[in-house]
Amino acid sequence: DQQVKQNSPSLSVQEGRISILNCDYTNSMFDYFLWYKKYPAEGPTFLISISSIKDKNEDGRFTVFLNKSAKHLSLHIVPSQPGDSAVYFCAVQGAQKLVFGQGTRLTINP
Amino acid sequence: GAGVSQSPSNKVTEKGKDVELRCDPISGHTALYWYRQSLGQGLEFLIYFQGNSAPDKSGLPSDRFSAERTGGSVSTLTIQRTQQEDSAVYLCASSLTSFNSPLHFGNGTRLTVT
Repeated sequence: DQQVKQNSPSLSVQEGRISILNCDYTNSMFDYFLWYKKYPAEGPTFLISISSIKDKNEDGRFTVFLNKSAKHLSLHIVPSQPGDSAVYFCAVQGAQKLVFGQGTRLTINP
Repeated sequence: GAGVSQSPSNKVTEKGKDVELRCDPISGHTALYWYRQSLGQGLEFLIYFQGNSAPDKSGLPSDRFSAERTGGSVSTLTIQRTQQEDSAVYLCASSLTSFNSPLHFGNGTRLTVT
């Protein structure tokens, strides 16, 4: 029973275009949401977060959108760069621990 | 260094042997977490420590797994009588607090059980 789902295992985007990664969760009690980026042989790196009192948070090329009624989270990267190629995990905080999605492998094509 | 440090980075062990994995969290971080990532899978929560409170062990897959955190800092994850299905990357993370605070991960220990 997955509490956090990333339905797209992979995504390919052309350099300079927008990358949109999606995440759905099941529990409306979650109140803190995060995105992590992971390169091979490294631990996940924190990218951006949003609390449930907001519906948008922006940091440079990265924007996270939260739709609480739909229990949906998305990460927009614009413009996409080759260095953005990695696996992206969404995570939600419940009961003081983070629950992660399965990840989406993003490939940016030159 | 300022980040979370894990050792060893790689461990190969024979089925049935015990292993210990070590984590040095970021100084001052009160919360410490262990996760694992099996091949092709997401991050699976194992155990969580917060200050002097009793740890949340709800993610440990069996009683062969245990962890301790000494002096509120270094943590050791122990797997007894390892099985092939224990092969995974074991990731440690720490955070400043346990509420609305990002986790900072180490680079993990890749465990291979032969």
